[in-house]
Amino acid sequence: DAKTTQPTSMDCAEGRAANLPCNHSTISGNEYVYWYRQIHSQGPQYIIHGLKNNETNEMASLIITEDRKSSTLILPHATLRDTAVYYCIFAQGRGNEKLTFGTGTRLTIIP
Amino acid sequence: DAGITQSPRHKVTETGTPVTLRCHQTENHRYMYWYRQDPGHGLRLIHYSYGVKDTDKGEVSDGYSVSRSKTEDFLLTLESATSSQTSVYFCAISPGQGDYGYTFGSGTRLTVV
Repeated sequence: DAKTTQPTSMDCAEGRAANLPCNHSTISGNEYVYWYRQIHSQGPQYIIHGLKNNETNEMASLIITEDRKSSTLILPHATLRDTAVYYCIFAQGRGNEKLTFGTGTRLTIIP
Repeated sequence: DAGITQSPRHKVTETGTPVTLRCHQTENHRYMYWYRQDPGHGLRLIHYSYGVKDTDKGEVSDGYSVSRSKTEDFLLTLESATSSQTSVYFCAISPGQGDYGYTFGSGTRLTVV
């Protein structure tokens, strides 16, 4: 099973950038890094994904190291609504993966 | 979430009774999934479908069955509910082409008493 390692919890001040790390040392060359988040008891929400290059969208930026063994999700200006559990996953991106969710990082945004 | 709905949202049932949860999508996606979420375990895959009448087991499939007779509907059945199946159940969909993310439903909270 695909395994990732994330800190159990993190705090970030409102308005500052939140940087969430993820280690995925067993990732293979054709596997994408995906980030999801789960707010309260809602269904997980897709944030961003990438293969080799850094990616940015309206929600976040994703920085992937050159060796692809780790990545960082960046929320540039965290708000209270970003308080959630963030999951880092890797998969081949064909849509037929049995995604394996770990326990993620509980991010708390402090007013 | 837009394009995917789960029903019911909440259900309380008695041990030993059969229960069916429904996932309905309007996106015409090929792949559909059922996950359960319990404290300390994250999300665990129960069953998934890769087309009409094509299904396969996930990591925690014991005690569950699924059916997909139409592209838009994926049913999860607990044949004889047990207290260990008290959980929050999430359905997810994906198109199965290219690189993209899954879309999850809002969940069904099931309590077996």
